[in-house]
Amino acid sequence: AQTVTQSQPEMSVQEAETVTLSCTYDTSENNYYLFWYKQPPSRQMILVIRQEAYKQQNATENRFSVNFQKAAKSFSLKISDSQLGDTAMYFCAFGAGSYQLTFGKGTKLSVIP
Amino acid sequence: GAGVSQSPSNKVTEKGKDVELRCDPISGHTALYWYRQSLGQGLEFLIYFQGNSAPDKSGLPSDRFSAERTGGSVSTLTIQRTQQEDSAVYLCASSWAFRGADTEAFFGQGTRLTVV
Repeated sequence: AQTVTQSQPEMSVQEAETVTLSCTYDTSENNYYLFWYKQPPSRQMILVIRQEAYKQQNATENRFSVNFQKAAKSFSLKISDSQLGDTAMYFCAFGAGSYQLTFGKGTKLSVIP
Repeated sequence: GAGVSQSPSNKVTEKGKDVELRCDPISGHTALYWYRQSLGQGLEFLIYFQGNSAPDKSGLPSDRFSAERTGGSVSTLTIQRTQQEDSAVYLCASSWAFRGADTEAFFGQGTRLTVV
């Protein structure tokens, strides 16, 4: 079975600063996908960024980037130039083949003006 | 439609009544998930359908909860004899199996269930 752990229940960051959210996972699979989802107060889950495990290069989407350490089974999310609209719950998730998508418990991020 | 659709958006029911929550996944997606989210909390896995395989029901909290997926498309989550602790947002998601480069899970906006 796959497990996903987010060890930071809550974090805060000053507007325009950089913040890193941690995620570790456990799996015996070699080919898999990792995701960060954002859930703002509107409760709509939005995909922020995706990483395929077979790719060594870290994924980047504008202000969002990941630090994927496959051997350490670590997948952290870095948000640069934080904006007020980044305030949300962030969930790390793991998917492989036909296995169910497994989520961490989430990190509540508050961006402070 | 283009996305995952859930209905109703909000449901208020009396304790002891049965409720049905509906999810229309993205057409062609083989995988469908139901999650429960209590206020300010994470996602609690309930049930997972993948193609024609038997569903993974390991997350259903009690035998009052059941779900079906008809014709590999629409899914209905049924809660019988609702209790106040069932109050939560119920989220549905769908995806392809995680093999393709662009695979991701798409979520509906959820159904907020309130048991009074």
